[in-house]
Amino acid sequence: NAGVMQNPRHLVRRRGQEARLRCSPMKGHSHVYWYRQLPEEGLKFMVYLQKENIIDESGMPKERFSAEFPKEGPSILRIQQVVRGDSAAYFCASSPQYGGSLDTQYFGPGTRLTVL
Amino acid sequence: DAKTTQPPSMDCAEGRAANLPCNHSTISGNEYVYWYRQIHSQGPQYIIHGLKNNETNEMASLIITEDRKSSTLILPHATLRDTAVYYCIVGYNFNKFYFGSGTKLNVKP
Repeated sequence: NAGVMQNPRHLVRRRGQEARLRCSPMKGHSHVYWYRQLPEEGLKFMVYLQKENIIDESGMPKERFSAEFPKEGPSILRIQQVVRGDSAAYFCASSPQYGGSLDTQYFGPGTRLTVL
Repeated sequence: DAKTTQPPSMDCAEGRAANLPCNHSTISGNEYVYWYRQIHSQGPQYIIHGLKNNETNEMASLIITEDRKSSTLILPHATLRDTAVYYCIVGYNFNKFYFGSGTKLNVKP
């Protein structure tokens, strides 16, 4: 059973460009979470999505950031007009739709975004 | 805003048990205790979680106090590959997780 997949693993953008990060959840999982980790810090929650719905975006910056999880295809985290402060590791996690008490969030390997 | 308190770092000799403490005095009745670890800058790896009872799996054991205000993750025979940052999280699945600063475990030969 393949784990959570994220691509690209490394992404370099110049200031003002757009960054698109993709996350394919584990097979059978329909819940996706995005977290950001700045250097030397813990992960910070950004957004929680189900298929075609944003459930909780309380951790997402109000401007330039958006996320989607379409009916078909991976979840996308989009950052418009990137700035140097967006440089970080972005992790995606997924969990199953009907997770019981034994289930939790499973994380992907992350995308390292560097803004020049 | 992490709801847990962990020591910033701990050392452990290879082959010995590593006992990582976590305080979560404000835990609510239905919140679980989860443990993850992050090796270098890889994605967090799930270790174990529990609600009230002690839990054990192939990786570790989780001991939760009766009042649920603290817990201990036990790695029974630490190896060099267990060197990582260990995060204790309280919460629910289908909800955001708060990651604090974690405990940097250094396993030494």
